[in-house]
Amino acid sequence: AQTVTQSQPEMSVQEAETVTLSCTYDTSENNYYLFWYKQPPSRQMILVIRQEAYKQQNATENRFSVNFQKAAKSFSLKISDSQLGDTAMYFCAFIENNAGNMLTFGGGTRLMVKP
Amino acid sequence: GAGVSQSPSNKVTEKGKDVELRCDPISGHTALYWYRQSLGQGLEFLIYFQGNSAPDKSGLPSDRFSAERTGGSVSTLTIQRTQQEDSAVYLCASSLNGLAGAQFFGPGTRLTVL
Repeated sequence: AQTVTQSQPEMSVQEAETVTLSCTYDTSENNYYLFWYKQPPSRQMILVIRQEAYKQQNATENRFSVNFQKAAKSFSLKISDSQLGDTAMYFCAFIENNAGNMLTFGGGTRLMVKP
Repeated sequence: GAGVSQSPSNKVTEKGKDVELRCDPISGHTALYWYRQSLGQGLEFLIYFQGNSAPDKSGLPSDRFSAERTGGSVSTLTIQRTQQEDSAVYLCASSLNGLAGAQFFGPGTRLTVL
């Protein structure tokens, strides 16, 4: 069975600093996709970043980047220059290529950005 | 363009009543998903629709839960004889073609069963 583990239930960071959220996953497949989603208090799940397992290059989206270590099955999210609006729950998620069905989510990390 | 929309935003019902939750996916997206987010269980997959194929119902927790998707667009999740443990946020998502592409979520429906 696929599992996704986020070992940090809560984290905080000062505004303008950098923070890294951890995620590990377990799969026997070679082709899959990994995602980070952000869920602010508004409840809307927002896609932050996506990584294809077959790509060695780490995905980046503006202030957000990932450190994808396939052999270690690790997929951490780095947020640079943290902003107050980054305060939210962050979920790591996984889906197998061509499975077409469900995302498997980690338990989430609650991030608070402090002024 | 418009994102995924869900209605109602909040629903309070009495134990034993039936409820219907609605999802309008992004126009042109062929895949539609329902998830449930509850305090004790995190985010759980419920059901998946892809085009005209038979839905993947493997995540539905009991036969009180059902869903349909009419005309390949709007979907309705129905919970019959609601129980207190059904209280949760029900999230709908859609993706362009379901092939492990990014899923885009609606704002969810918060269901409270008294």
